[in-house]
Amino acid sequence: DQQVKQNSPSLSVQEGRISILNCDYTNSMFDYFLWYKKYPAEGPTFLISISSIKDKNEDGRFTVFLNKSAKHLSLHIVPSQPGDSAVYFCAAISGSARQLTFGSGTQLTVLP
Amino acid sequence: DTAVSQTPKYLVTQMGNDKSIKCEQNLGHDTMYWYKQDSKKFLKIMFSYNNKELIINETVPNRFSPKSPDKAHLNLHINSLELGDSAVYFCASSPTAARTGELFFGEGSRLTVL
Repeated sequence: DQQVKQNSPSLSVQEGRISILNCDYTNSMFDYFLWYKKYPAEGPTFLISISSIKDKNEDGRFTVFLNKSAKHLSLHIVPSQPGDSAVYFCAAISGSARQLTFGSGTQLTVLP
Repeated sequence: DTAVSQTPKYLVTQMGNDKSIKCEQNLGHDTMYWYKQDSKKFLKIMFSYNNKELIINETVPNRFSPKSPDKAHLNLHINSLELGDSAVYFCASSPTAARTGELFFGEGSRLTVL
């Protein structure tokens, strides 16, 4: 039973265009959401997060949108750069357990 | 100067063997974790220690035993290795018990059981 789902295993985007990575969740108790980025042979690194009391958080080229009613969040990268090519993991955290639940990741490839 | 370092990075071994993976963090964090990335690429938490005390112990076989000699180290020992244990194991740390989920991960240790 996967509570955090990333249904697109891969995404290709042209350099300079917008990349949109999607994530759906099923647990309504999640109160904090994060995106991690992972390059090959490296561990995931934290990218951006959003609290459930907000619907948008922006950090430079990266913006995360949260739609609680749809239990959906998305990561927008604009403009996309070749160095953004990596696997992006969506994650969520809830309640007293404070355990991260990860999705399966989306491989983003930004074509020059 | 690596913040969270794991050794070894690659480990190939036979079924039935016992092996250990070591992890060290130099960030001064209180909490450390072991995650397993399985063949479907999901990252799943196995254990978490806060100041050497076990705080999360997910449903993993008791062949897996974590040990935290001090808050900068969290080692993972696996007895009687099975084929299904093949995975990438990630160590991570956070300043406290991850209230906001921002973890610092090591590079991973790829375990292959033959």
